[in-house]
Amino acid sequence: EIVLTQSPGTLSLSPGERATLSCRASQSISSSYLAWYQQKPGQAPRLLIYGASSRATGIPDRFSGSGSGTDFTLTISRLEPEDLAVYYCQYCDNPPNNFGQGTKLEIK
Amino acid sequence: QVQLVESGRGVVQPGRSLRLSCVASGFTFSSYGMHWVRQAPGKGLEWVAVIWYDGTYKYYTDSVKGRFTISRDNSENTLYLQMNGLRDEDTAVYYCARESTLVRGALDHWGQGTLVTVSA
Repeated sequence: EIVLTQSPGTLSLSPGERATLSCRASQSISSSYLAWYQQKPGQAPRLLIYGASSRATGIPDRFSGSGSGTDFTLTISRLEPEDLAVYYCQYCDNPPNNFGQGTKLEIK
Repeated sequence: QVQLVESGRGVVQPGRSLRLSCVASGFTFSSYGMHWVRQAPGKGLEWVAVIWYDGTYKYYTDSVKGRFTISRDNSENTLYLQMNGLRDEDTAVYYCARESTLVRGALDHWGQGTLVTVSA
């Protein structure tokens, strides 16, 4: 079973800054099977990134993903107030398709 | 447009049963794998179960194995989660989600969620 560990737990940044969120897998995984989601307060999650680096439909290019092996990163350039949310990574290959515990992004 | 609408929310006593439904529209339901994901109050996302497009493969997270059953009726465009032997720790918002055709396991559309409260 793949366990995903996200860091930091909380990130507090100002509009216009860059956010870097980390997701570490308990063992090496194919980058094809790492996804990122955004969950805004009171809403269902939304797929941001699949295959570690491909943006889902309608996702602005401020959001980018990278990484391989055990270390993956979600980068949000030029933060906007609407980016306030919790961000989760997910392992998408053979079940269980576990999620990381999430990183809460606060906008100052 | 793709829509997933869950129902079956409620308050149930520990040990009792509840069935959740998720009605799909706006896409060919019978062509997609479907998942259930839950979120306890104030907590993160927990993946629960998956069912293949044709219902021939199912998998569950360990904490619900033997108690929950995922199923689907492709003629009715409906996904189900039968929950038996409910425990306090099953209290959560339950989301149904569609699996992306681009990457197995990635969830590209989600319902709004339905709240299940297990309490005496």
